[in-house]
Amino acid sequence: GAGVSQSPSNKVTEKGKDVELRCDPISGHTALYWYRQSLGQGLEFLIYFQGNSAPDKSGLPSDRFSAERTGGSVSTLTIQRTQQEDSAVYLCASSFLNQPQHFGDGTRLSIL
Amino acid sequence: EDQVTQSPEALRLQEGESSSLNCSYTVSGLRGLFWYRQDPGKGPEFLFTLYSAGEEKEKERLKATLTKKESFLHITAPKPEDSATYLCAVQFSGGYNKLIFGAGTRLAVHP
Repeated sequence: GAGVSQSPSNKVTEKGKDVELRCDPISGHTALYWYRQSLGQGLEFLIYFQGNSAPDKSGLPSDRFSAERTGGSVSTLTIQRTQQEDSAVYLCASSFLNQPQHFGDGTRLSIL
Repeated sequence: EDQVTQSPEALRLQEGESSSLNCSYTVSGLRGLFWYRQDPGKGPEFLFTLYSAGEEKEKERLKATLTKKESFLHITAPKPEDSATYLCAVQFSGGYNKLIFGAGTRLAVHP
């Protein structure tokens, strides 16, 4: 079956621009997660959505980062006024309740 | 502070040379420990979940074990296609379902 789909797969933008990253979770999965993977580092939790509950935003590094999940399915991660330190691979995962998380292949974001 | 540490950072093996990867953790109330495999340019691929000390899981040449402070991923008679980065992650009480990841072990298996 279809896995987690992320788009775009690569994004290059200039410092100061806004970017939107999209995640389509596995159908039927109630939970959706965003992580960030910087070069040579482990995955860093950003935000978590579970059903209609308030999202856990505790991992967002600054108020330039925000995310939404519409209709309990597709999610968009938005980074405003991008900085060079935002360059990383942004990974989305989904799961059914507290079952293991399944990841997409990520969006590689490069800030010039 | 909740923390996950993996060792070694990198490991080079000859085909058929068995070895183990280590994941040590300090979390307040472990809910689950997860092993993932990540190939270059791809997202992590789920391998195993372990929930309690003494538990073991196996899949082909891989076997994961768990104690109260660490987990091991044993690789028996590895093949070149086992080359990847292996990631360990934990869920903890109060952390809901978010995962805390280690930095990973880069495994290279040479023929």
